[in-house]
Amino acid sequence: SQTIHQWPATLVQPVGSPLSLECTVEGTSNPNLYWYRQAAGRGLQLLFYSVGIGQISSEVPQNLSASRPQDRQFILSSKKLLLSDSGFYLCAWRTGGTYEQYFGPGTRLTVT
Amino acid sequence: EDQVTQSPEALRLQEGESSSLNCSYTVSGLRGLFWYRQDPGKGPEFLFTLYSAGEEKEKERLKATLTKKESFLHITAPKPEDSATYLCAVQAGGGATNKLIFGTGTLLAVQP
Repeated sequence: SQTIHQWPATLVQPVGSPLSLECTVEGTSNPNLYWYRQAAGRGLQLLFYSVGIGQISSEVPQNLSASRPQDRQFILSSKKLLLSDSGFYLCAWRTGGTYEQYFGPGTRLTVT
Repeated sequence: EDQVTQSPEALRLQEGESSSLNCSYTVSGLRGLFWYRQDPGKGPEFLFTLYSAGEEKEKERLKATLTKKESFLHITAPKPEDSATYLCAVQAGGGATNKLIFGTGTLLAVQP
């Protein structure tokens, strides 16, 4: 069966510091991968998606970036965090033939 | 603009008191409508996919229905463990994105 992991689970970082969040998927090949951010009282906002290694598409202009160095690994990064980057970051995957996406456990990021 | 609106924002029920959650959508070319359950501090858990008006899906005490403009999540004789935020999402159009547009959710509290 498929499993999705995210780490770290929680993170507290000062403004201006770098960020690296990692997501890995097990039990599937060539998944579509997604990064979402969920702010309190708001719906999930799609940040990035990837259909393959090295292929990244951005949905929202911001100081975040994403990379996909391996088929089942997706990384969210920032060089300098802003207070507005605080939120709950979720990674999701999907494979061909189905439209539903499956989410990881999430990373709670607090920028202080 | 594609949009998803969920109501009510919050719902408090007594154990055994059946009710329905609403998800109304405005989208061009619906490819699928999705229901998720999200517990506090966790990633959304996939529940159902509905593809066309008239379709129904059931899982334990939950039943999801779809019309051309809205979906309902019916909860029959709920238990305290059904307490969670229920999210609705739609996929419009097509292409590699499989972009999901989420509503802000309904927070359900079931009291014993």
